[in-house]
This record gives sequence, C-alpha cells and structure tokens, in this order.
Amino acid sequence: DTGVSQDPRHKITKRGQNVTFRCDPISEHNRLYWYRQTLGQGPEFLTYFQNEAQLEKSRLLSDRFSAERPKGSFSTLEIQRTEQGDSAMYLCASIPRVSGGAWNTQYFGPGTRLTVL
Amino acid sequence: AQSVAQPEDQVNVAEGNPLTVKCTYSVSGNPYLFWYVQYPNRGLQFLLKYITGDNLVKGSYGFEAEFNKSQTSFHLKKPSALVSDSALYFCAVSPRKSGFQKLVFGTGTRLLVSP
Repeated sequence: DTGVSQDPRHKITKRGQNVTFRCDPISEHNRLYWYRQTLGQGPEFLTYFQNEAQLEKSRLLSDRFSAERPKGSFSTLEIQRTEQGDSAMYLCASIPRVSGGAWNTQYFGPGTRLTVL
Repeated sequence: AQSVAQPEDQVNVAEGNPLTVKCTYSVSGNPYLFWYVQYPNRGLQFLLKYITGDNLVKGSYGFEAEFNKSQTSFHLKKPSALVSDSALYFCAVSPRKSGFQKLVFGTGTRLLVSP
C-alpha cells in the first residue's frame, strides 16, 4: 500500500497519560499536515511540516501537544497529560513537492482515533 | 479569515436520482476549493478540486462540482446516485497563498442514498 499510513488506528487512554501517534506519508512527499476531527465537525488544521521543518502551528496546538518530523519522512504527534477534550480523530495528510506555485492535492491517512477516559 | 458553510447536515436521495450537496465559502481573493468524502472509520478521500479554468469540475466516481464566484458556492453534484455513495462529504477551501496550503473544512453533509 503506497498511501499515507497512521499508527495506531485506535488508542484508548486514561486522562493524564501521554500518547504518541505516528504518520508515514506517501514516499517522497515533502509536505505533511496534521488535522484533528471531533465528532460532528470537519477536520481542523493543527500543524504543517515542509521536510523536517515545522513551519506552521495552529492555536489549537496547546503546549501539551508536540509534533516532530526528524528526518523529513515520518512524523509523530505527542499529547502529554491527555484530557477528555483531546478525544478526537487525528488525521495526517501529505502532498508532493510543489513547483511553480502549483497546488497539489492533500492525501489523507486513515486517522488515529483517540479516546480519553 | 476563510470559512466554509455546508447548510445541510443530511441529504436524502433515492438511488438513480440526481443529488446535490451544497457548499458556500468565504475567503479573501480567489479560492482553491475541494470536495472530500469520508466513509466510516476511514480517512478522507479526495473527490475533486477547483483551481482555475472551467467552472464545472469533474472528479472521481462520476461526481462533479460547479464553481460560482458571484454566489461564492461550490455545490457537489451527481446525475444518478448510487447506494454506495452514502457517506460523509466535506467541502474545503484554501486561500491562494504560496507556501503552506492549509485546508479549512466545512462541518460535513451526510448523504444517504436509499435503494
């Protein structure tokens, strides 16, 4: 499968625990995005990487959230001291290198569903 | 700030009938517009996009959408619905800005196609 993959697909944790999610983008896609989708809502942008550089962060990304993309390939999203309000689907998307101002389609992974008890 | 409105939480249509899922947007300047579909427990699948050119955009699975600048709308359409089209549909907008290309999504419209 050459699509975007995410791991785990489901995570149940207790309030106060730390969790980490992984996203593997499509090979050679240099741009990577994280979104959060709560029940009954559309996805909301969290953060963006171009290669290994984190270039944009949403105000939704509190200090408890941290994302990395150390080698410009896979990315991780960590949530520390989880709260019940963190329960959501966390989606990752990637797009290939953009040239000359062209706009490329974002390809989404299946998501990680987090439940905080 | 950019935003997307999907005024219908759910659209019901009989199989074989035409379907329309509505979307209006608000963005400074000219937008990039997208439709994605989400099946249960799965990520978003790209259907189609409007970047420039012809206002009628054709996409995957027989779907099309019409960009209407004066009405700031980008409605999704299909001439003949299938039961398998039942899913959650999201309209999204991105401003024409170089560099990072954040998508702003609507709240989604659930399409239910009855046999």
